[in-house]
Amino acid sequence: KQEVTQIPAALSVPEGENLVLNCSFTDSAIYNLQWFRQDPGKGLTSLLLIQSSQREQTSGRLNASLDKSSGRSTLYIAASQPGDSATYLCAVRGVEYGNKLVFGAGTILRVKS
Amino acid sequence: NAGVTQTPKFRILKIGQSMTLQCAQDMNHNYMYWYRQDPGMGLKLIYYSVGAGITDKGEVPNGYNVSRSTTEDFPLRLELAAPSQTSVYFCASSYVGAFGETQYFGPGTRLLVL
Repeated sequence: KQEVTQIPAALSVPEGENLVLNCSFTDSAIYNLQWFRQDPGKGLTSLLLIQSSQREQTSGRLNASLDKSSGRSTLYIAASQPGDSATYLCAVRGVEYGNKLVFGAGTILRVKS
Repeated sequence: NAGVTQTPKFRILKIGQSMTLQCAQDMNHNYMYWYRQDPGMGLKLIYYSVGAGITDKGEVPNGYNVSRSTTEDFPLRLELAAPSQTSVYFCASSYVGAFGETQYFGPGTRLLVL
């Protein structure tokens, strides 16, 4: 059964720091991996989608990498800002679970001004 | 476009009561999903639909029912509410594009069963 783990569960950093969020998954037979942002009391917003054949995707200050063989992905946030404070979830879409998303529990990020 | 809308935003139910969580999307997406999110946990799939008239179970379907009579609407029915169904419920819709499937989420319904 596919399991997705995110480390750390929570992270607090001062404004301006570069930071890395980690996501690991147990079954490497995936189609793609997606990073989402969730603000308190709100739904999820897709940040980056990485296909299994890709190594990384970039959007502005965000860079996500994927190492399918080792079952790992990282989300790199450059020059963090207080507005980046949110919960970040990763989800994988794999063969085993009928092509449906399996989510990690998320990393709660707080960027202090 | 309003995107994905959900009603109500918040509801308190007594044990054994029933209710329907509403979800609608105006993006003409074929795929729609219902998830629940418990505190400190990831989202778990309850039911999904690949088009009007077609629904299927996800990972945690027990205690829920769905229907999909139109492309736009995908209501989730709770029969005989139990405290274990206290959660935040998210509806999502998606399309499959050149770069894979992109899901769009509603703002969620917070449900408390007492």
